[in-house]
Amino acid sequence: DGGITQSPKYLFRKEGQNVTLSCEQNLNHDAMYWYRQDPGQGLRLIYYSQIVNDFQKGDIAEGYSVSREKKESFPLTVTSAQKNPTAFYLCASSIWTDLSGANVLTFGAGSRLTVL
Amino acid sequence: GQQLNQSPQSMFIQEGEDVSMNCTSSSIFNTWLWYKQDPGEGPVLLIALYKAGELTSNGRLTAQFGITRKDSFLNISASIPSDVGIYFCAGRRGNQGGKLIFGQGTELSVKP
Repeated sequence: DGGITQSPKYLFRKEGQNVTLSCEQNLNHDAMYWYRQDPGQGLRLIYYSQIVNDFQKGDIAEGYSVSREKKESFPLTVTSAQKNPTAFYLCASSIWTDLSGANVLTFGAGSRLTVL
Repeated sequence: GQQLNQSPQSMFIQEGEDVSMNCTSSSIFNTWLWYKQDPGEGPVLLIALYKAGELTSNGRLTAQFGITRKDSFLNISASIPSDVGIYFCAGRRGNQGGKLIFGQGTELSVKP
């Protein structure tokens, strides 16, 4: 079955450490996205990528980095520069057309990062 | 970044009751989506709306794309315990480069 796989599901990090969250999709989608979710807030866009080797900052990119070396993979690194990294992180993918942009997003199951 | 205004923020209802929630924006949207998120999981698409005035049903769920293109509604009839979760609206404007904008979510609790 096609879908999006995020790993790990739960991750604990000490302050000052970088961590990388994995996101893999086998839906053959062009675009991939990373969102951050905090209690009582909507989904905030961190980074997105429309094609391989290209990505764009979202609304809250500071303290995060991404890469898109393969169509299927879009890892997110939470750096030590992120002041409040404890959150639930969601990866998503969609087809993308020049005319209408992003189509419906399909989400992964999420990764919960806790900074100790 | 801009967010949609989604209300209510939370609802506590009895099993069997009907539920209504909505999203509004000051801008015109050309797509409205409704997602449900179970605790600890990713959101799952419930209904997609693409035309002003469109009314679409999915089982006990009904959603409408407002005529003004600035709002959307989701109704759940005869709620059951498994309806518990967070419901998100999402919209897309034609000049936003295709990015979706999400509402803050409505947290639904259903008492058996």
